[in-house]
Amino acid sequence: KQEVTQIPAALSVPEGENLVLNCSFTDSAIYNLQWFRQDPGKGLTSLLLIQSSQREQTSGRLNASLDKSSGRSTLYIAASQPGDSATYLCAVRSNQFYFGTGTSLTVIP
Amino acid sequence: EADIYQTPRYLVIGTGKKITLECSQTMGHDKMYWYQQDPGMELHLIHYSYGVNSTEKGDLSSESTVSRIRTEHFPLTLESARPSHTSQYLCASSEWEGPLTDTQYFGPGTRLTVL
Repeated sequence: KQEVTQIPAALSVPEGENLVLNCSFTDSAIYNLQWFRQDPGKGLTSLLLIQSSQREQTSGRLNASLDKSSGRSTLYIAASQPGDSATYLCAVRSNQFYFGTGTSLTVIP
Repeated sequence: EADIYQTPRYLVIGTGKKITLECSQTMGHDKMYWYQQDPGMELHLIHYSYGVNSTEKGDLSSESTVSRIRTEHFPLTLESARPSHTSQYLCASSEWEGPLTDTQYFGPGTRLTVL
């Protein structure tokens, strides 16, 4: 069964810093990997989707990379802002979606 | 913009009551899902549907049941609620265009507390 792990579980940074969130998965037979954002008490919003044949995707200040062979992905957030404070979840699509437990990010003004 | 709705948003109910959590989407998506999420834990798939009259159980054993009579509607029912059912329930849908681009649109969730 696919297992998805996210490190760190929580992260607190001052505003303006660049940061990296990590995701690892045990089975490299995936179709895609996605990063979601979840605000407290809310559902998930898709941020970036990387297909299995792709290496990275970018959207604004966000850049996600995928190394399928090693089972790793990173989400890079540039010039962090207080509005980036949320939980970020990584999910892989194999026979179904498997989610990590998330990284809770706090950006301090 | 994804349009997927869940009601109620919050529910506090006593043990033994029957409850139905509603989920509706206006995007015409064939695939719909129910996840259970406890604080600090990953989402666990409890039910999914590939279309009308199609329902399957997910990986996480659940005492709930679902139905899919209409494309846009995917309600989840607990016949007799127990404190162990206390959790957040998230509904999602996806438009099937192949697994490479398969993504999910989530509703805001229902926070259920069973006393």
